Amino acid sequence: GAVVSQHPSWVICKSGTSVKIECRSLDFQATTMFWYRQFPKQSLMLMATSNEGSKATYEQGVEKDKFLINHASLTLSTLTVTSAHPEDSSFYICSARLDFGGETQYFGPGTRLLVL
Amino acid sequence: GQQVMQIPQYQHVQEGEDFTTYCNSSTTLSNIQWYKQRPGGHPVFLIQLVKSGEVKKQKRLTFQFGEAKKNSSLHITATQTTDVGTYFCAGRATDKLIFGTGTRLQVFP
Repeated sequence: GAVVSQHPSWVICKSGTSVKIECRSLDFQATTMFWYRQFPKQSLMLMATSNEGSKATYEQGVEKDKFLINHASLTLSTLTVTSAHPEDSSFYICSARLDFGGETQYFGPGTRLLVL
Repeated sequence: GQQVMQIPQYQHVQEGEDFTTYCNSSTTLSNIQWYKQRPGGHPVFLIQLVKSGEVKKQKRLTFQFGEAKKNSSLHITATQTTDVGTYFCAGRATDKLIFGTGTRLQVFP
């Protein structure tokens, strides 16, 4: 149980396009999901906390208009990278926390974004 | 803001040798979690420590939470090639989980 999926797993796009990444909790409900970003050989940096039915909470330095988060249901959160630029190329990972399962976070497989 | 540092950054060991990574937080933590990330993969939850001075074992892995709840360690006894990966601690002080800088372990057969 507690499986989290992400789609797509790989994205290559041109500079200026927008990219949407989906994060789904497959067998549990997750009121809260988290979006992380990881550059090569670096740690995971929390970008934002996604809350079902309300606005996401963004970490300091993360542009909310650049990284749009929508958590429309208890099993789906989406991250849209708007007008992507090469510096947005990274590994984006989401995680979900069980509503009644404590504080363990279950991570999706990640999405590698390459902006040309 | 809250910072979580890990040392060493890299560790290369011969198979069978022991390995330890240390995690230090700038603030007191309510709990600490450990994750393993294989090359090209995503973080996988290993364990959570909550109590001051807590020690937990998982086969060859021993996890410890410091008395002041600001540091933690992960010790692997007799490493195997399957232990290769990056080990992250993640500390929770408020509602957020802050990941440590990670320790990349390479095991040579």
